[in-house]
Amino acid sequence: NAGVTQTPKFRILKIGQSMTLQCAQDMNHNYMYWYRQDPGMGLKLIYYSVGAGITDKGEVPNGYNVSRSTTEDFPLRLELAAPSQTSVYFCASSYLDRGYNEQFFGPGTRLTVL
Amino acid sequence: AQSVSQHNHHVILSEAASLELGCNYSYGGTVNLFWYVQYPGQHLQLLLKYFSGDPLVKGIKGFEAEFIKSKFSFNLRKPSVQWSDTAEYFCAVNDAGGGNKLTFGTGTQLKVEL
Repeated sequence: NAGVTQTPKFRILKIGQSMTLQCAQDMNHNYMYWYRQDPGMGLKLIYYSVGAGITDKGEVPNGYNVSRSTTEDFPLRLELAAPSQTSVYFCASSYLDRGYNEQFFGPGTRLTVL
Repeated sequence: AQSVSQHNHHVILSEAASLELGCNYSYGGTVNLFWYVQYPGQHLQLLLKYFSGDPLVKGIKGFEAEFIKSKFSFNLRKPSVQWSDTAEYFCAVNDAGGGNKLTFGTGTQLKVEL
């Protein structure tokens, strides 16, 4: 199993540009998550999904959108990039079984908005 | 809302020294607790987890953590650190609410010197 994969690894955007961060998992996990990591701030949840077709906002959703059309994929969309969105983005997935919720993380996407 | 505090932001130790990293959470109900590690340039990996049962949990690489419910704490320990333990350590709590979301602490940067 590849686990959780993310593309691209690095990206530089200009202010106002749009892009989609891709995330896929091959573990048949029902739950998927997007986090951003900023220095000294830990990880903040952007959006999450409990299954195909179901998404919900996390702690910091403004400026982002998500969709979950399949179990495997959970792309994150930035519509109008802003410098405040410069961060490292991590996708994670988990399988909810009797309340267990160990999350498995992807390698991250480092995004810079100039 | 759940909050997680990691009081040590930066820790510098010599090899073979003992390690204890503090973690306190705010939610008083049933929680699942995790410690994740992020080695330089890598994604988060699970060190150990507590769901129920014995409050002393053993993880990978000689790490352990103790859940003390009365103190809302889940401190991470290792008797003798190695240079390869240099990494950032995150405590996380899942309060078993909707979406089984994790709330992360701000992280502790550990540097182990030879």
